[in-house]
Amino acid sequence: KNQVEQSPQSLIILEGKNCTLQCNYTVSPFSNLRWYKQDTGRGPVSLTIMTFSENTKSNGRYTATLDADTKQSSLHITASQLSDSASYICVVSAQVDMRFGAGTRLTVKP
Amino acid sequence: EPEVTQTPSHQVTQMGQEVILRCVPISNHLYFYWYRQILGQKVEFLVSFYNNEISEKSEIFDDQFSVERPDGSNFTLKIRSTKLEDSAMYFCAIDRLTNTGELFFGEGSRLTVL
Repeated sequence: KNQVEQSPQSLIILEGKNCTLQCNYTVSPFSNLRWYKQDTGRGPVSLTIMTFSENTKSNGRYTATLDADTKQSSLHITASQLSDSASYICVVSAQVDMRFGAGTRLTVKP
Repeated sequence: EPEVTQTPSHQVTQMGQEVILRCVPISNHLYFYWYRQILGQKVEFLVSFYNNEISEKSEIFDDQFSVERPDGSNFTLKIRSTKLEDSAMYFCAIDRLTNTGELFFGEGSRLTVL
């Protein structure tokens, strides 16, 4: 069964600190993996997209990694800012099937 | 400028009433999607629409739901007889390219069924 599991469910960090969010998936055959940021009450916004051959991709302070062998991805946020407070959703695509994770709720405190 | 505009931003309706949610893309796209997100829960796929036809739908998308492009640009989601459990955020998304998974989401329409 195609599934996407994210951890932790929620995370609280202090402003300026780094954090790493995890995504494990069983989606097959793998097409691509995306990380989205969703502010409360808003639509998800794409951060990165990774294909099978990509191991690391950065977008500013966001760095995503992908291990296609272990079917794991991580999103690392460097020097967190208050505006990083949001839900981060991992989405894995397998041709016509697209699976959303439940998201990690990140709260950055001053 | 957003890729996708959704209206209304919030609608309150009585159980059993019909609701139409609208999605207007900034330019022509082939792939459209509707998702919903019940408060505090994950985003759930409803239906995908390609070349003016439904290409895939989930178990959630039962006979109470329908989609269409009435004028070739607007993309609508209709719920014929709303239920309490239909209360959620409904997101329209477009795929700028050819079903690559690069989705651009609208800001969503919040539906509250009383």
